Amino acid sequence: KAGVTQTPRYLIKTRGQQVTLSCSPISGHRSVSWYQQTPGQGLQFLFEYFSETQRNKGNFPGRFSGRQFSNSRSEMNVSTLELGDSALYLCASSSGAGSNTGELFFGEGSRLTVL
Amino acid sequence: QQQVKQSPQSLIVQKGGISIINCAYENTAFDYFPWYQQFPGKGPALLIAIRPDVSEKKEGRFTISFNKSAKQFSLHIMDSQPGDSATYFCATRNAGGTSYGKLTFGQGTILTVHP
Repeated sequence: KAGVTQTPRYLIKTRGQQVTLSCSPISGHRSVSWYQQTPGQGLQFLFEYFSETQRNKGNFPGRFSGRQFSNSRSEMNVSTLELGDSALYLCASSSGAGSNTGELFFGEGSRLTVL
Repeated sequence: QQQVKQSPQSLIVQKGGISIINCAYENTAFDYFPWYQQFPGKGPALLIAIRPDVSEKKEGRFTISFNKSAKQFSLHIMDSQPGDSATYFCATRNAGGTSYGKLTFGQGTILTVHP
């Protein structure tokens, strides 16, 4: 069974640009969550989608947005990039949501560098 | 914002020693406490998890101790091996409310096991 696939794995952008990251969950998983990982801050929750609906949202500015498609694939977008957005963005999928959110399966992440 | 405080930030242990990582939480409305392990260049992966109705769970060399009254839980790694060198994250899962099922992670502990 294929794992969670994130693309691109690495990207470099400049301040003010926008970026779109993609995540393909494990087949059959309907929940996709996004996390930002930076040294010292750990894993910061961005948002969670289940069956194309945003269920939870973290404390990030509106420049961070996401969506989920009918095939459970998800994208996140960051507009007007800032230097502080440089981070590893992790996507995780789960078979359920709410009390059925058991094990999260993470991808290897998309490493974004903003210059 | 609900927080999970994890300590220490980094830990160095000799091979064969015991590694102990602690987490404390503020909210009581959690129903699931997992630990994730992350190797460099990889996404986090579930290591072991516990529910609040038990005080301890052991899987091989890994043990979670849970103290509900103190709102603390810890990961013990017995007979630590160089292959255990990784970053460890504790997490809590919301048991209800608008953030039902949301996982909040600690800041992470970088464990180094010297041979």
